[in-house]
Amino acid sequence: DGGITQSPKYLFRKEGQNVTLSCEQNLNHDAMYWYRQDPGQGLRLIYYSQIVNDFQKGDIAEGYSVSREKKESFPLTVTSAQKNPTAFYLCASSTRLATWNEQFFGPGTRLTVL
Amino acid sequence: GQQLNQSPQSMFIQEGEDVSMNCTSSSIFNTWLWYKQDPGEGPVLLIALYKAGELTSNGRLTAQFGITRKDSFLNISASIPSDVGIYFCAGRTGGGSYIPTFGRGTSLIVHP
Repeated sequence: DGGITQSPKYLFRKEGQNVTLSCEQNLNHDAMYWYRQDPGQGLRLIYYSQIVNDFQKGDIAEGYSVSREKKESFPLTVTSAQKNPTAFYLCASSTRLATWNEQFFGPGTRLTVL
Repeated sequence: GQQLNQSPQSMFIQEGEDVSMNCTSSSIFNTWLWYKQDPGEGPVLLIALYKAGELTSNGRLTAQFGITRKDSFLNISASIPSDVGIYFCAGRTGGGSYIPTFGRGTSLIVHP
């Protein structure tokens, strides 16, 4: 079945450590996105990518980094520079950014920094 | 950036009641989407609206694209316990801005 997978579902890290969240899609989508969700805050865009080897900062990119070496994969690294990294992270994809077709979301990763 | 206000923030209702929620924007939108998020999961698209005045249904759900193009409404009729979750609106202004803006969500709790 086609879809978006995020792993792991729950992640715990010590303060000061970098951590990478995985996002894989087999929908053959060109565009991929990372959102951060905090209680009562809705979804805030961290980074997005329209095509392989290209990505753009979203509204809250500070303390995060991404790569897009393959069409299917868009990993997000939460660096030690992110001041408040504990949150629920959602990855999404869509067919093409320019036409803004429906975004399909993964199940999310809940990151807790101790 | 665009401001998108979603209300109410939360709702506590009895099973069988109807539900209404809305989103308003400071900018004109040319597309509105409504998503539902179950606890601990990613959002799933419920309804998409592409034209001012458009009224679209999906089972017990009905959504409308406001005539002013600055608002949208979602109604749920005869609520059931599985309607529990967070409902998000999202909109796009167009004109080169292809990234959607999301509302903060309406948390719905349905008591049996």
